[in-house]
Amino acid sequence: QVQLQESGPGLVKPSETLTLTCAVSGYSMSSDSYWSWIRQPPGKGLEWIGSIYHSGSTYYNPSLKSRVTISVDTSNNHFSLKLSSVTAADTAVYYCARRGGYEGHYFFDYWGQGTQVTVSS
Amino acid sequence: DIQMTQSPSSLSASVGDRVTITCRASQGISNYLAWFQQKPGKAPKSLIYAASSLQSGVPSKFSGSGSGTDFTLTISSLQPEDFATYYCQQYNFYPLTFGGGTKVEIK
Repeated sequence: QVQLQESGPGLVKPSETLTLTCAVSGYSMSSDSYWSWIRQPPGKGLEWIGSIYHSGSTYYNPSLKSRVTISVDTSNNHFSLKLSSVTAADTAVYYCARRGGYEGHYFFDYWGQGTQVTVSS
Repeated sequence: DIQMTQSPSSLSASVGDRVTITCRASQGISNYLAWFQQKPGKAPKSLIYAASSLQSGVPSKFSGSGSGTDFTLTISSLQPEDFATYYCQQYNFYPLTFGGGTKVEIK
């Protein structure tokens, strides 16, 4: 069973860099999957932040691309998110998720439980 | 970006009702569409992929249909555990985008 677990600080100051890590268990990250970050502001819907393929190819939401870096460490089975120059608008629950492949369809099949990040001084 | 529009944004229904949620894409996405269920304080749960394929372990009361720009999620007989918010999401084009959600409440 694939499991994902986010970790990182729950409070970040404005203009600083938010860094989160997602630990993956029950599955080898070197296999055919995309590893993703998604966020959900309080009371709002879901926003895809970006994905990384196991090979290291990255795909970012253009609305955040200038501030986002996603990296993967397949040997230690985790991947990370860095979001720079944060503001209050970046306050959200951040989820990590796997986009697994099923006959050519790569969709979010496994999710972490989510971690609340608040941007405030 | 492809806009995903769900309707209604909320609905009230009774246990045992048949419920249908629609999702429209701003351009054709073939069948690269997924549906998720989210309960308060929890992560979304995958229900359907490829517009109509049931994710493993999801009960058959959930079904999906559609292709191109118009899609539906149907719950055949609503049960208490089904009251939640439902999201559609397209994965044919980057950036990946979600619908705004449909909140299913108890009447």
